[in-house]
Amino acid sequence: AQRVTQPEKLLSVFKGAPVELKCNYSYSGSPELFWYVQYSRQRLQLLLRHISRESIKGFTADLNKGETSFHLKKPFAQEEDSAMYYCAIRNSGNTPLVFGKGTRLSVIA
Amino acid sequence: GAVVSQHPSWVICKSGTSVKIECRSLDFQATTMFWYRQFPKKSLMLMATSNEGSKATYEQGVEKDKFLINHASLTLSTLTVTSAHPEDSSFYICSAIGGGAKDTQYFGPGTRLTVL
Repeated sequence: AQRVTQPEKLLSVFKGAPVELKCNYSYSGSPELFWYVQYSRQRLQLLLRHISRESIKGFTADLNKGETSFHLKKPFAQEEDSAMYYCAIRNSGNTPLVFGKGTRLSVIA
Repeated sequence: GAVVSQHPSWVICKSGTSVKIECRSLDFQATTMFWYRQFPKKSLMLMATSNEGSKATYEQGVEKDKFLINHASLTLSTLTVTSAHPEDSSFYICSAIGGGAKDTQYFGPGTRLTVL
């Protein structure tokens, strides 16, 4: 069964400090991995996906199949990065996402 | 970008009544929509997969007679909570696949249901 683990419920960092939001997964096969972000009072929106290998808003995430991890990183946190971050997994195609429990990132000025 | 709307955004109802929640893809056709439920401070839990023109596929533990899903067109899926009880109070979120990147899931803003 697919499972996504985000070990931290809350992560607080100072502005300008590096950020790493952890995500580990268990899956038999070749999954697609995503990071979604939910800002206060807004809907979930896609932040990035592993197959596109791009940087969005300064965030990057590398899929490590050996460690089954997909940690989200940003070298210098900004106050506007404060939000709820969800790691998600799915098969390829029109299949549903399985979400982790989410990590709330709080960037302190 | 692709937009998914939900209506209503919040609803309060009495125990025993039924509530219908609509999910619409505004500027694209969505052959597949998903319904999730989110409890306070918890993650999103998939309830069912809704395919246009066919019966929804429910996740284990989700009562199909209680949570009726209809996907009558390529832009509309509805979730009806029948005979609602206080324990059904939750945040219901839909998502749709389609739009610019064909397999990207776009999420609606959610509907907060409170059953008194």
